[in-house]
Amino acid sequence: GENVEQHPSTLSVQEGDSAVIKCTYSDSASNYFPWYKQELGKGPQLIIDIRSNVGEKKDQRIAVTLNKTAKHFSLHITETQPEDSAVYFCAATSYRGSTLGRLYFGRGTQLTVWP
Amino acid sequence: GAVVSQHPSWVICKSGTSVKIECRSLDFQATTMFWYRQFPKQSLMLMATSNEGSKATYEQGVEKDKFLINHASLTLSTLTVTSAHPEDSSFYICSARDSTYEQYFGPGTRLTVT
Repeated sequence: GENVEQHPSTLSVQEGDSAVIKCTYSDSASNYFPWYKQELGKGPQLIIDIRSNVGEKKDQRIAVTLNKTAKHFSLHITETQPEDSAVYFCAATSYRGSTLGRLYFGRGTQLTVWP
Repeated sequence: GAVVSQHPSWVICKSGTSVKIECRSLDFQATTMFWYRQFPKQSLMLMATSNEGSKATYEQGVEKDKFLINHASLTLSTLTVTSAHPEDSSFYICSARDSTYEQYFGPGTRLTVT
């Protein structure tokens, strides 16, 4: 099955700086890569996603890049704010075959933004 | 965006009793729903996948007789933890997927078994 690795496990940045979280995946059949933000005691919230036919996607301060050849994708947050502090999970899945879109998650990155 | 609700948000039950958790998609029809379990400072662990009107598919190591899943309609799935024990205490999260790729998560249910 798919294996998703996520780094770093913790990340501390100063308010206004950029933050980058990186993930790699093992299954070349994966074609959908969402990113989730989870605040303490809450469920994960989809913040951005990218499909395998796209190399980059941006939504205001958040961007995701995908390198299918190297099997890695990254989350970029610019102009970080204290409210960006949370745990971020990357995930990968394939909607081909019989997997029914089962998400394979990374281990998560605890992002702390200091004011 | 799409909204998924869970009820209750937290529950405390005594060892040996059963507890039911509901997961509802409020503004879309969920062809597939997923149930996860999450321990503190860990990632989400998939327990089972369910499609409306059919039996759930459980992940290896998950006891299907202990964690009963019913996907009764396109907007409702339930997880029943039967004969709960303290080791079942955890954060349970459901997610729902419509006909697109996106998967939306509920707010989670904190279960404490005493």
